[in-house]
Amino acid sequence: GAVVSQHPSWVICKSGTSVKIECRSLDFQATTMFWYRQFPKQSLMLMATSNEGSKATYEQGVEKDKFLINHASLTLSTLTVTSAHPEDSSFYICSARGLAGASTDTQYFGPGTRLTVL
Amino acid sequence: GEDVEQSLFLSVREGDSSVINCTYTDSSSTYLYWYKQEPGAGLQLLTYIFSNMDMKQDQRLTVLLNKKDKHLSLRIADTQTGDSAIYFCAETTPYNTDKLIFGTGTRLQVFP
Repeated sequence: GAVVSQHPSWVICKSGTSVKIECRSLDFQATTMFWYRQFPKQSLMLMATSNEGSKATYEQGVEKDKFLINHASLTLSTLTVTSAHPEDSSFYICSARGLAGASTDTQYFGPGTRLTVL
Repeated sequence: GEDVEQSLFLSVREGDSSVINCTYTDSSSTYLYWYKQEPGAGLQLLTYIFSNMDMKQDQRLTVLLNKKDKHLSLRIADTQTGDSAIYFCAETTPYNTDKLIFGTGTRLQVFP
């Protein structure tokens, strides 16, 4: 149980375009989803936390107008990187935390999306 | 502030035990976690321990927590080549139970 998927698994785009990444909880309902960014050989850094039906909470230093997050349902959150630039190239990982019944403090991670901006 | 440190690299022979260490600075940590990341993949939760516990064992995995020294370790018994990966420790705090603070990651290399 507790499977989280991401789509696409990798994407290459031109500078200036926007890219949307989907995160889905497949077998549980996720009240809260998280978006992380991981640069090569580095740890994960939390970008934002989103609760279903409300605005995302962004970490300090993360531009909310650049990284648009939508959490429209209990099984889907999307991250849109707007006007992407080469410095946005990274591995983006989402995680989801379930309703009470699962461990409410346990996050289950997706497989990640590698974004390369040319 | 919040800071979680790990050694960068560990190399062990197949069949031996591996011990991956982690130190943290926030004494109010609530949960402490160990995640495994294989190349190009997301994170797999291996185990976690609540801060009022000293030890937790789960099959080949043993987690030890020394709250006084703010030290967490993960022991993998009978290490296999399939255990080669990056291992991250992470913590949450009472201030924000949503936020996982990750360590720098330890790359475990298992050789035959």
